[in-house]
Amino acid sequence: GDSVTQMEGPVTLSEEACLTINCTYTATGYPSLFWYVQYPGEGLQLLLKATKADDKGSNKGFEATYRKETTSFHLEKGSVQVSDSAVYFCALSENNAGNMLTFGGGTRLMVKP
Amino acid sequence: DADVTQTPRNRITKTGKRIMLECSQTKGHDRMYWYRQDPGLGLRLIYYSFDVKDINKGEISDGYSVSRQAQAKFSLSLESAIPNQTALYFCATSDLKGTDTQYFGPGTRLTVL
Repeated sequence: GDSVTQMEGPVTLSEEACLTINCTYTATGYPSLFWYVQYPGEGLQLLLKATKADDKGSNKGFEATYRKETTSFHLEKGSVQVSDSAVYFCALSENNAGNMLTFGGGTRLMVKP
Repeated sequence: DADVTQTPRNRITKTGKRIMLECSQTKGHDRMYWYRQDPGLGLRLIYYSFDVKDINKGEISDGYSVSRQAQAKFSLSLESAIPNQTALYFCATSDLKGTDTQYFGPGTRLTVL
């Protein structure tokens, strides 16, 4: 079945540092890929997505590129802020599977001033 | 006002008690989902509903039941709560019409003693 593996946290960075959170996936078809973010005390919200190979999703300075050859969708940001502290989830959905999301385990990011 | 609301936000109960968690949405979406979140495991799908007459089991439905009272309401019940059902529970919705983004409620933290 489908699965998503992402790096374990917590990831602790200083403000303005570069961020990479690794995400790899296993899927039977051609999934859409997502990054969701969960701020403290809140539900998940979509950060960015990509629906086909080589697409780049971007939002709020974050970006991720759908790499079919390496089955990866790594999340990157060039300069993190304290307000980026949250838990980040990589997820996939199969295009013919009714929007079912399969999530990775989540990576907690802590950004220090 | 929030598009997806969940009640209660926090609940502490005892083993063997029946518990109902409620979800309401104002987004007009047909599809609704219940997930549970456990540390390090990401979110796992409990049940989902594509419309009022369509209810489907997810990955971890044992010990849970659901009711889709209307397009806007989707309730999750624990008939006889047990301690390993202690978790954070999220409701989500998505649009039937092509987009596969899911929109999450703020979550219900359930503790079973």
